Amino acid sequence: DMKVTQMPRYLIKRMGENVLLECGQDMSHETMYWYRQDPGLGLQLIYISYDVDSNSEGDIPKGYRVSRKKREHFSLILDSAKTNQTSVYFCASSPQGQGVSNERLFFGHGTKLSVL
Amino acid sequence: GQQVQQSPASLVLQEGENAELQCNFSSTATRLQWFYQHPGGRLVSLFYNPSGTKHTGRLTSTTVTNERRGSLHISSSQTTDSGTYFCAIDHNYAQGLTFGLGTRVSVFP
Repeated sequence: DMKVTQMPRYLIKRMGENVLLECGQDMSHETMYWYRQDPGLGLQLIYISYDVDSNSEGDIPKGYRVSRKKREHFSLILDSAKTNQTSVYFCASSPQGQGVSNERLFFGHGTKLSVL
Repeated sequence: GQQVQQSPASLVLQEGENAELQCNFSSTATRLQWFYQHPGGRLVSLFYNPSGTKHTGRLTSTTVTNERRGSLHISSSQTTDSGTYFCAIDHNYAQGLTFGLGTRVSVFP
């Protein structure tokens, strides 16, 4: 069953708290992504990971870091969350390696994060 | 950087009507994809279409790369087609996709 799973689905945190968003995929895809979606701004790429411990900043990496210790898991970490990080976060994966175009992205359900 | 412009921003249809969604992008060195976002938020890939025309059911994707444009045609729309349709292109080979702002489609019976 081809699936990208995100946990949790909903999360409420206070400003300054640490946040961990988790993503898993069961397709052995090399490449994984974190996007955030905001009204009027669409989907913006935060980080991309080409494989284990091979990560690259996307368009809006500030305030975020990532961890990929196993091919099937990709975590997004917010150290000391800010209110402007309230958003819906999407994880995605695709079945190709670095340097090849992004064919067939598979998305998770998203995590709705509210930072108060 | 790459830019992706979608039109219209929103579209209201009566069930059975056809619709055409447009996507224009800023570079010829791109590959275009279409995604559908359910009203509940889930994003699914509809087409990976670097050039030419592809069909799936009532959906047709056409990409004219040298003119930097793509389109998604919905024929005989149904209420279940309601949602937001996104066009996305390669940012560059190593940097993931750049998304447009989407076209919100509402189909009424």
